[in-house]
Amino acid sequence: RKEVEQDPGPFNVPEGATVAFNCTYSNSASQSFFWYRQDCRKEPKLLMSVYSSGNEDGRFTAQLNRASQYISLLIRDSKLSDSATYLCVVNAGNNRKLIWGLGTSLAVNP
Amino acid sequence: NAGVMQNPRHLVRRRGQEARLRCSPMKGHSHVYWYRQLPEEGLKFMVYLQKENIIDESGMPKERFSAEFPKEGPSILRIQQVVRGDSAAYFCASSPRQESPSSLGRAFFGQGTRLTVV
Repeated sequence: RKEVEQDPGPFNVPEGATVAFNCTYSNSASQSFFWYRQDCRKEPKLLMSVYSSGNEDGRFTAQLNRASQYISLLIRDSKLSDSATYLCVVNAGNNRKLIWGLGTSLAVNP
Repeated sequence: NAGVMQNPRHLVRRRGQEARLRCSPMKGHSHVYWYRQLPEEGLKFMVYLQKENIIDESGMPKERFSAEFPKEGPSILRIQQVVRGDSAAYFCASSPRQESPSSLGRAFFGQGTRLTVV
């Protein structure tokens, strides 16, 4: 089993749609969780951290389910500019090494 | 406040040559990470360095690859005797001095160096 797994997609949605991605992780000792966004041939950029209680940033909502070992990202009212690959990132333990998922590709269509 | 600076942005090397990739972290950041992203694959951790120290090199191939972060100057990822399979995007990231787990993951990435081996 991979340490961090994501559905690669692609997810094709119309503008204004709500879309959700899940990411599962294998190490129950994982401490920190993040969603990054990567545009084609660009560097990854931090989208948001994921907190135990769940957190929201505008149209984006992130949630953590420790019991089932997954995190999710919900995007409401999708914009064309949301088209990108969304990377799930997990820090497992105290060694500061981040484990990256392969990403979920999202295409928002007009 | 300049971000993480990587150069060159694009590098072409013939098989057997050496490739040197440079990374200057954000001002005030003392932790540097190198990642490799192969075509159609996710980012793979290579090495984590602080100034003059390699903290974790568990992702580095055993041969031909080395990294350093000297007291002065940028971090260098060096690939000797490059092969076609080394063609990839190499990203450097830096993070602040803070040690708390909550700061982990808030790394800032450079724009990457795309290495092509011909």
